[in-house]
Amino acid sequence: GESVGLHLPTLSVQEGDNSIINCAYSNSASDYFIWYKQESGKGPQFIIDIRSNMDKRQGQRVTVLLNKTVKHLSLQIAATQPGDSAVYFCAESRSGGYNKLIFGAGTRLAVHP
Amino acid sequence: KAGVTQTPRYLIKTRGQQVTLSCSPISGHRSVSWYQQTPGQGLQFLFEYFSETQRNKGNFPGRFSGRQFSNSRSEMNVSTLELGDSALYLCASSFGSTAGVTEAFFGQGTRLTVV
Repeated sequence: GESVGLHLPTLSVQEGDNSIINCAYSNSASDYFIWYKQESGKGPQFIIDIRSNMDKRQGQRVTVLLNKTVKHLSLQIAATQPGDSAVYFCAESRSGGYNKLIFGAGTRLAVHP
Repeated sequence: KAGVTQTPRYLIKTRGQQVTLSCSPISGHRSVSWYQQTPGQGLQFLFEYFSETQRNKGNFPGRFSGRQFSNSRSEMNVSTLELGDSALYLCASSFGSTAGVTEAFFGQGTRLTVV
């Protein structure tokens, strides 16, 4: 498949460990945030989202934390599996910006058996 | 429920030509956004269409244009292609709202190579 980004920061974890991927967002007016997973040769896949009136949201094996004070977002993946290996992007948007998403640079997650 | 469909998946064009890419959103979704993805610039917003109207535009030259049809399908066009236009072009489908952002789901993308 095609590589998404050649010089992305990489997080390497052992299978079964928990992973934490961090993201700093740029606009203090942003009020909606999404995490996407992108595998080689595929489009981004929606993982989880959170609005600015929340600090934490949980999904299946994933948790997103939002710290508006320092404009920081994190994605926690529990019991990481080889199938979680991909590039992860955070994206931000704001009311009035409709569906315009501003994406971060991405983090490559490499899961080792 | 079918996902977002983009056609074609791969395209090779020559500098100076023009190209049209197509996106069929998820049934019931009225918003379609387009993004360009390159290794150097990452994912960049091109424009968004909602109910056949462009309501948001990114910082791309006028060679990049789009439209949306009454069935919510969208096309984007790039005229006078340049080598730097080589990229993965992604379409995102959302239910759409006049109030704000809704979840966006992406297609597989069209890989455009300009030679």
